[in-house]
Amino acid sequence: EAGVAQSPRYKIIEKRQSVAFWCNPISGHATLYWYQQILGQGPKLLIQFQNNGVVDDSQLPKDRFSAERLKGVDSTLKIQPAKLEDSAVYLCASSLVGELAGRGSYNEQFFGPGTRLTVL
Amino acid sequence: GIQVEQSPPDLILQEGANSTLRCNFSDSVNNLQWFHQNPWGQLINLFYIPSGTKQNGRLSATTVATERYSLLYISSSQTTDSGVYFCAVTNQAGTALIFGKGTTLSVSS
Repeated sequence: EAGVAQSPRYKIIEKRQSVAFWCNPISGHATLYWYQQILGQGPKLLIQFQNNGVVDDSQLPKDRFSAERLKGVDSTLKIQPAKLEDSAVYLCASSLVGELAGRGSYNEQFFGPGTRLTVL
Repeated sequence: GIQVEQSPPDLILQEGANSTLRCNFSDSVNNLQWFHQNPWGQLINLFYIPSGTKQNGRLSATTVATERYSLLYISSSQTTDSGVYFCAVTNQAGTALIFGKGTTLSVSS
């Protein structure tokens, strides 16, 4: 089974430029997440999709970040304009949220390789 | 919101040694996962363990949900075990993961 795919793997831009990241989740996973991981910290959620609808974007800096998942599969995360503090690894994850008979909810998340963004 | 604390923050081992990593969380959780982040930044799933005990080779994990902690055991450590180990949880507030700050493990030969 193919894992979560992301591209590009690395990106270097200057501040005030724009950049876009792409994610293809595991086939059949309805839930897709974008996380931001700053050096030395754990990942933090930016936005969560269920199919093509937004579930949680409370941590997304909406003045400069946007994300979409138009057909409920692939997703794109955009930053415009970028700031120095946006330098981080951007991780995409997907999960098959559901119920396991007799065992309650199930939500194991799988991560892609990430995109390392450097803003100069 | 829920707080996740991992200890120790750093751990240095000789190859072959055993270790225990701890994850404490401040509220009841629906799900808990342990990850290994390798030097290339990839998060590798180790365990999905909201409760109980699981083993996979040299690794095992135990979550005691009623006491709000989880432990990750690494036995006979190898240099390839080096990297950052993260504990992450979800609770009733949603399904997105909340991560601890990680434990950085360095195993030398």
